[in-house]
Amino acid sequence: NAGVTQTPKFQVLKTGQSMTLQCAQDMNHEYMSWYRQDPGMGLRLIHYSVGAGITDQGEVPNGYNVSRSTTEDFPLRLLSAAPSQTSVYFCASSYREEGTEAFFGQGTRLTVV
Amino acid sequence: AQKVTQAQTEISVVEKEDVTLDCVYETRDTTYYLFWYKQPPSGELVFLIRRNSFDEQNEISGRYSWNFQKSTSSFNFTITASQVVDSAVYFCALSEAQSTGFQKLVFGTGTRLLVSP
Repeated sequence: NAGVTQTPKFQVLKTGQSMTLQCAQDMNHEYMSWYRQDPGMGLRLIHYSVGAGITDQGEVPNGYNVSRSTTEDFPLRLLSAAPSQTSVYFCASSYREEGTEAFFGQGTRLTVV
Repeated sequence: AQKVTQAQTEISVVEKEDVTLDCVYETRDTTYYLFWYKQPPSGELVFLIRRNSFDEQNEISGRYSWNFQKSTSSFNFTITASQVVDSAVYFCALSEAQSTGFQKLVFGTGTRLLVSP
C-alpha cells in the first residue's frame, strides 16, 4: 500500500530556480491538494484539484502552479523560487465524500537559498 | 472565516501522566467536521480521528479519548498514561467546504507534546 507518495524528500534550490514537486496516489481519490507547513502557522492550502483537469487556488497560491492530467498525479511547480518558499510541503488526497479524512504524503522539505 | 486555536504551544510530561490537548474552533457552518492529526518526529501526518458536528458523543480508542462540546466550540484530546512514543506535534483541523465541493482543512498551529521517560 503506497498511499500518497511525494518526491523528493529534501531539496535545496537557489533563488530564481524552478522545480517540480511530485505527488502520486494509488487510492483512486478524486480530491488532491498541496499544503505548506511553516513554523507557528500550521498547514495552509496552496492549490487543490477536484478531478483530472480541474484545479483551483487555495489560501497561498502565489508563486506556485499545478496541473492534474491524471487522477493519480498532482505535481506542484515552483516557477521562480524565493526564500519565502522555504517550507515543508505536503500533498494530500481524499475521497469526494463530505467529511472524509485526507491522507498525507511524507512531505518535502524545501530550502531556498 | 473558519479558525482553529491550539493555545498550548508545547507540553512536557513524564511518562504515565495523563495529558489533554486543547482545541477551540470557530465556524458559522451548521455542518462541519473536526479532525486530529499526529505528526511524529519522522514528519508524516497521521490521521487520528474525525468527528462531525451532529455527533457529540465522546470517543475512546485505547489510551486516546476525545471530548467534543459544541456549547464551548471545543474538541479536546486526552492521552491517558502517556508514553514516549506519544511525543509528536498534534494538529486539530476543521473542514471548510469550498464552492467546488472540496473540503479545505483549516489547521491549528499545533501542540508539541514531549513525553520523557
